[in-house]
Amino acid sequence: DAMVIQNPRYQVTQFGKPVTLSCSQTLNHNVMYWYQQKSSQAPKLLFHYYDKDFNNEADTPDNFQSRRPNTSFCFLDIRSPGLGDAAMYLCATSRVDSASTEAFFGQGTRLTVV
Amino acid sequence: RKEVEQDPGPFNVPEGATVAFNCTYSNSASQSFFWYRQDCRKEPKLLMSVYSSGNEDGRFTAQLNRASQYISLLIRDSKLSDSATYLCAVPPLYGGATNKLIFGTGTLLAVQP
Repeated sequence: DAMVIQNPRYQVTQFGKPVTLSCSQTLNHNVMYWYQQKSSQAPKLLFHYYDKDFNNEADTPDNFQSRRPNTSFCFLDIRSPGLGDAAMYLCATSRVDSASTEAFFGQGTRLTVV
Repeated sequence: RKEVEQDPGPFNVPEGATVAFNCTYSNSASQSFFWYRQDCRKEPKLLMSVYSSGNEDGRFTAQLNRASQYISLLIRDSKLSDSATYLCAVPPLYGGATNKLIFGTGTLLAVQP
């Protein structure tokens, strides 16, 4: 069974139209991450939540926001998508207080901006 | 120096070959390292963790060289199904208690029949 679930798998949005991507997890991990990955590039960390504490990366555009209403869910909001925001968006989780610190990924949402 | 750097690809190898990738990191305090495998248009999946000197799992061996600050991934007896991008991940320089991971750009492996 999938442990980190992202919806939708594919999202097409119009230029400038707000869009929300969702992520849920059944692992009860306290950290949730959002990565952006463009073709042939490494996953780039946008921000992460440690419990309810939001941690933004310094170079993440203001156009990207996130919400985590509870442990299981996390949302990525793109307020005004541009053509350059087309990418795969990956949600991941990890548990800080365990010996292993690897991140577990969802299947990703591929965003197309038209 | 980038926080995480990987061997440039692609690596094109015949079936049955042994291939090795390197990944250098800049944070000498890093304690944990990971190799992820990513298939085309799919999410990264954890392949191996390295917490001490190395780790071995079947045909895959990961080794850590702390003095030179690099980790390597060795794949023996390559299979066609090993074709993928291999991503190295290490905690960042300023990582606190969150253990967030920064990824290298990945090395593309293509195993040829």
